[in-house]
Amino acid sequence: DADVTQTPRNRITKTGKRIMLECSQTKGHDRMYWYRQDPGLGLRLIYYSFDVKDINKGEISDGYSVSRQAQAKFSLSLESAIPNQTALYFCATSGGGNQPQHFGDGTRLSIL
Amino acid sequence: GQQVMQIPQYQHVQEGEDFTTYCNSSTTLSNIQWYKQRPGGHPVFLIQLVKSGEVKKQKRLTFQFGEAKKNSSLHITATQTTDVGTYFCLPDQGAQKLVFGQGTRLTINP
Repeated sequence: DADVTQTPRNRITKTGKRIMLECSQTKGHDRMYWYRQDPGLGLRLIYYSFDVKDINKGEISDGYSVSRQAQAKFSLSLESAIPNQTALYFCATSGGGNQPQHFGDGTRLSIL
Repeated sequence: GQQVMQIPQYQHVQEGEDFTTYCNSSTTLSNIQWYKQRPGGHPVFLIQLVKSGEVKKQKRLTFQFGEAKKNSSLHITATQTTDVGTYFCLPDQGAQKLVFGQGTRLTINP
């Protein structure tokens, strides 16, 4: 969805570097999510936030941190990147309750 | 914890053949959502099922929710090349559990 924007779209970096992936949305949704996708492993939840003051760990939060700067912005950081964090990262948003998730176009991250 | 199994992992069919993917949970679900991800794209919401035994149709796609609300299926009749992609379920067990199924990758021989 163009309403969910991820930057950068692609990034190549070296082991040990700090990296920030950014997500912004114009859908007015309170809930935001970060997922990583690896071939054959589907989508795995890293962190999620149900409002600006709410941050929750997902299945695979180790090695990652997040910041919810505003309702519209949710960033994902890798403090010291390692090669097995090479993956496709998606941000998603949703309204409250059982509303469907809307995904950004993804960030392809390669760590050498 | 919630165990979600989506099968098969891969399915290759001839164009015109039918296709089905299944999502099975070890626990009762409050609802289930289905998403499609085209190659090189991002997941896109297809549908949500809430009621026990619910069946919903979208053109050639039929979605079912089991009577016990532990299983769901997505069936495509007479596949077309536009159906290529990976189909994911997102079962909702409540308690903010957000675990996608592993996905079923569908490829089609035209």
